[in-house]
Amino acid sequence: EDQVTQSPEALRLQEGESSSLNCSYTVSGLRGLFWYRQDPGKGPEFLFTLYSAGEEKEKERLKATLTKKESFLHITAPKPEDSATYLCAVLGGSNYKLTFGKGTLLTVNP
Amino acid sequence: NAGVTQTPKFRILKIGQSMTLQCAQDMNHNYMYWYRQDPGMGLKLIYYSVGAGITDKGEVPNGYNVSRSTTEYFPLRLELAAPSQTSVYFCASTQGEVAFFGQGTRLTVV
Repeated sequence: EDQVTQSPEALRLQEGESSSLNCSYTVSGLRGLFWYRQDPGKGPEFLFTLYSAGEEKEKERLKATLTKKESFLHITAPKPEDSATYLCAVLGGSNYKLTFGKGTLLTVNP
Repeated sequence: NAGVTQTPKFRILKIGQSMTLQCAQDMNHNYMYWYRQDPGMGLKLIYYSVGAGITDKGEVPNGYNVSRSTTEYFPLRLELAAPSQTSVYFCASTQGEVAFFGQGTRLTVV
């Protein structure tokens, strides 16, 4: 069974204080690993898809990386508007299920 | 191009009533998913579909049914609503690189 574990559950940063979120996964035949951002009361918003170990993608202050067992979402010099829940998901190759972790609640204080 | 559209946005049901949550996408995506999200519990997969006429159970299918007669529509049926089905329901679609979510349906069963 595909599993996704995200850590930490919650993270509080000061504005400008860089950090990383972790997503560990086990999946049968990874077809893709997704990162989403979710604001309160809204649906998840797509950020990145990573397909293979060693791949990296960047968008503004966010950078996602992938190894064979985990993915990191690096946040550089965060701003208060980066506060949200960040979700990680894997798409399994054998069953096409999109399985999510519980998310990391990020709070960036000014 | 509206993306993924869910209706209704809010609904209150009485115990034992039935309803259908609607989900439509206009991106010609093959893969579609239904999730429920409870506070602090992440997204749990209810049902998914890899194409018209093909559906499969996810992690928490009991009390729900789905159909996928066309690529565009993937309705979720609740039969005999129970208080445990109080949740926020999200529909999603993906075709490889990009995955999109609807804005959710907030359902309360009283």
